[in-house]
This record gives sequence, structure tokens and C-alpha cells, in this order.
Amino acid sequence: SQTIHQWPATLVQPVGSPLSLECTVEGTSNPNLYWYRQAAGRGLQLLFYSVGIGQISSEVPQNLSASRPQDRQFILSSKKLLLSDSGFYLCAWTKGRAFQNIQYFGAGTRLSVL
Amino acid sequence: AQSVTQLGSHVSVSEGALVLLRCNYSSSVPPYLFWYVQYPNQGLQLLLKYTTGATLVKGINGFEAEFKKSETSFHLTKPSAHMSDAAEYFCAVSVDYGGATNKLIFGTGTLLAVQP
Repeated sequence: SQTIHQWPATLVQPVGSPLSLECTVEGTSNPNLYWYRQAAGRGLQLLFYSVGIGQISSEVPQNLSASRPQDRQFILSSKKLLLSDSGFYLCAWTKGRAFQNIQYFGAGTRLSVL
Repeated sequence: AQSVTQLGSHVSVSEGALVLLRCNYSSSVPPYLFWYVQYPNQGLQLLLKYTTGATLVKGINGFEAEFKKSETSFHLTKPSAHMSDAAEYFCAVSVDYGGATNKLIFGTGTLLAVQP
């Protein structure tokens, strides 16, 4: 069966520090991968998605970047964190491109920027 | 452009009472619709989805949703609330993103509280 892992689960970082969040998927190949951010009372915002190694699409211009160095690995990064980067970050995967395909979510990383 | 509106950011029901969480969508093409549930500090878990066919969709944990095209709605219901149903619920629509991948547009969520 497929599983998705995210780490760390929680993170407290000072403003201006770098960030690296990692997501890996097991049990499948060539998944579509997604990074979402959830801010309080604002639902989920799609940040990045990737359909293959090295292929990253950005949804929202911001202080963050994403990379996909391996087929089942998706990394969210920042060189210098801002207060506004605080939130709950969720990674998700889906198989294939069909509209009806389910997105499966990881357990999330709660980031607090102080 | 597709969008989702969830009416009521907070809903409170008594244990054993009917749960009704509202979702309206906007889509220029037949939509694919999803309900996800999120327990505190956890990721999202699929409750149910509508693609084509039967308009009444049954999901996990006794939840169901009815697709009503004429009302552009996909409300989530459960006949009898349980304390364990307390969570945040998200409605989402799947968007045609030029064939590269499917993309979900989420509503802002409804936080369900269940009172003893």
C-alpha cells in the first residue's frame, strides 16, 4: 500500500532563518506531488505541484520554493523565513492526471515563525 | 473558473442530532467533488467523492452527500452525530489544469463541534 511521510511534524524557526520541509511517498511510482499551506480560517492554498523529477509549477509567488530531486521526494524550502510563512504545511500525492483521482495527504508540518 | 463556497465556518450540533454541512460549487463543466475531513493537527482524509453516476454518494463513518446540479450543491450529511465526528470538514472541486495534473480547489472549511 502507498504511504506518505512528512517531517518534521512541528517546527519553530526565527525570522530570517532557512527552511526545509521534506515529503516522501512510498509504494508508488511517478506520483503527482503537491504542497499546500493552511492558514487559520483560510482553508488550503496550493503552493506548488510537480508531475515529475525536476518539474515544479508554482501557484503563488512568494518566499518559498520547491524541488523534486527524486521521483518520490518533494521538498519545500525558503532561504529566509518571514512571519507570514507560519502555518500548517501539507504534502499530498495523486496517481495520474484524471480529475477524479483522489489526493492523499500527509500528516502535515506545523511551522511557527517567531 | 471553478470555486467552492462552504456556508458556516462553525457548526455545533448535539450528539445524536443530524449533521448538515453545506457546500456550493461553481463550475462551467461537470464537476468532480470531494469532501475531506481533518482531525486536529492531522492531514486530510477523504470522506467521499462524486464523479459521475449516482447522485447520492456514501462515504466513510456514516456520512453521505447528494449532488444536486440544479442547486449547484454538494451538502454533507450524517443522520446522527457522534462525539468522534468533531473535526474540520472541507469541500473541494477538481479543476481541469490543462492536462498536466488534477488540481483541487478547496472551500474555507467548516469546523464541526459535537456537544454531549
